[in-house]
Order: sequence, then structure tokens, then C-alpha cells
Amino acid sequence: KQEVTQIPAALSVPEGENLVLNCSFTDSAIYNLQWFRQDPGKGLTSLLLIQSSQREQTSGRLNASLDKSSGRSTLYIAASQPGDSATYLCAVKRAGGFKTIFGAGTRLFVKA
Amino acid sequence: GAGVSQSPSNKVTEKGKDVELRCDPISGHTALYWYRQSLGQGLEFLIYFQGNSAPDKSGLPSDRFSAERTGGSVSTLTIQRTQQEDSAVYLCASSRPMETQYFGPGTRLLVL
Repeated sequence: KQEVTQIPAALSVPEGENLVLNCSFTDSAIYNLQWFRQDPGKGLTSLLLIQSSQREQTSGRLNASLDKSSGRSTLYIAASQPGDSATYLCAVKRAGGFKTIFGAGTRLFVKA
Repeated sequence: GAGVSQSPSNKVTEKGKDVELRCDPISGHTALYWYRQSLGQGLEFLIYFQGNSAPDKSGLPSDRFSAERTGGSVSTLTIQRTQQEDSAVYLCASSRPMETQYFGPGTRLLVL
């Protein structure tokens, strides 16, 4: 059974700091891994999607890496801004299926 | 273009009543997902529809929960004889097969 864990559960940093959010999964037979952002009271917004054959994806100040063999992914946020404050969710889609398993998220607060 | 829409945005009901939640996916997206997010928890997969294939219902928590998708577009999630533990945010997402999921704003359900 696939389990997805995100560490830390919450993080508070000063504006401008670079930071790393961690995601680990127990079953390496995945189709893809996706990072989402969720603002309070809102739905989810997709940030980056990494296919199982890829090692990383980049979008602006965001970089996500994937190491299937060790069951880990990291989301790197450069030069953090107060507008980055949100909950960041990691989601894994299993190979050969459609079910997507989400982590509990990391709540990020960037102080101005 | 228009995103995923859900209605109602909020629903308050009494224990034992039935509720229906609606999801309108992005036009052209053949895949549709329902998730549940309880307070402080990650997203819990409920059900997945793909085109005319039989849905993956493996995440439905009990037989009080059912969902249908008419004409390959709009989907309705029905909860019969609601219980207080059903209180949560119900999120719908749509996608092209195996691609990025786009989420709606969710329906906040409160069972009194």
C-alpha cells in the first residue's frame, strides 16, 4: 500500500530564504509525482509534474526532483516571498492505475 | 477557458439527510476524480472516472457514498444518510488521461 509522507508539517521562514520541502513514498512503482499548492479555503493548483522517467522539473523559482529508487522527492523554492505562503502537497500516481495518493502537506509561512 | 466548477460551495445539512454534490469538469477532460479533505488531513481519494470505462470506486468509504458521471461530463457525488464524520471539503478534479489534474474550489460540507 502506497504511503506518502511530507516533512516538515509546517515551516516558517523569513522572506528571501531558499527552502526545501520533502516528500517520501513507500512504493517506487509510480507513474508520476506532482506537487500542488493549496491556499486557505481554495482548491489545489498544480505546480510541477514529474514523470517516473524524469529526474526533475523546473518552473520559475521552483524546482522539483524525483529519486524513485529511494522513494523521495524534494521541492526547492528559491528566494521565498510572502506570496508563497500556502500548503504544499505532494501526490503520487501509481503505475498501472489511476489512484492518486496525497501527502498531508507542508504548511509554509514566509514572513515579510 | 473555464476551470473545474463545483456546487454548492457550502452545504450544511442535518445528520441522516442525503446530499448531492456536483462537479463540472473542464471541457474535453475525460478523466474525473473525487477527493475528500477532512480538517487538517491530506486528500483522500474517493472515486475515478475515465471515459466510458467502469469507474474505480476503491476509495469510497462506505456504501452510503455513490457517484455517477452522465454523458462523460458532469458528475454527482451522493452521500446518503449523512453522518457527522462526513463533514469535510469534497474536491473534484479533471484531466486528460494521466496528465495534470485541475481542481475545483471544493464543496464544504457540514453535517450537524
